[in-house]
Amino acid sequence: GESVGLHLPTLSVQEGDNSIINCAYSNSASDYFIWYKQESGKGPQFIIDIRSNMDKRQGQRVTVLLNKTVKHLSLQIAATQPGDSAVYFCAENYPITSSGNTPLVFGKGTRLSVIA
Amino acid sequence: GAVVSQHPSWVICKSGTSVKIECRSLDFQATTMFWYRQFPKQSLMLMATSNEGSKATYEQGVEKDKFLINHASLTLSTLTVTSAHPEDSSFYICSAKTSGRHYEQYFGPGTRLTVT
Repeated sequence: GESVGLHLPTLSVQEGDNSIINCAYSNSASDYFIWYKQESGKGPQFIIDIRSNMDKRQGQRVTVLLNKTVKHLSLQIAATQPGDSAVYFCAENYPITSSGNTPLVFGKGTRLSVIA
Repeated sequence: GAVVSQHPSWVICKSGTSVKIECRSLDFQATTMFWYRQFPKQSLMLMATSNEGSKATYEQGVEKDKFLINHASLTLSTLTVTSAHPEDSSFYICSAKTSGRHYEQYFGPGTRLTVT
């Protein structure tokens, strides 16, 4: 992930519109990527994941796109709802090390604000 | 399934005292647990990785004598903040994974620590 700033970027969307949240990851050798949703005062909640041998994966109302050429990840949320308001983080999983550890490295996050 | 709990959910302590935070995997055996710290409006920063039965591996800049991590069983890891200071006030989040499931990591709900 990139270095952390003091203010999260904010994306404001109208209820019912589609949302696109972008993320740049740091390690070209990362082989697994995850999007998390975090509501205030709670831990990260898994949304969707994608492995490096894919460039697109769809879930329920969500789609993740992976562009390895430019090390870019995006999360698309269809028909955004007020309950989607939260901070969204991408995370990359570095390849497994000799110690067997594979910690996640988080991006800086984007706050999604849904306007009813 | 794959539930991770943390206790306490929030704690207030006086400067100079020590605080212990527990992380439990409720329905699976966690061979590896991770501890993260999150400051307001910032991303999750990995503090340390602990494998059951061995010493934790700390990230650069994290004082191992200040943040004591114990992973004595396959379902419990503890983080003790020793001689806490106001700058240690943060949101501490643990995550857990099981062996053989290389990619899947489950997050706890977090613990809010406030040092006065």
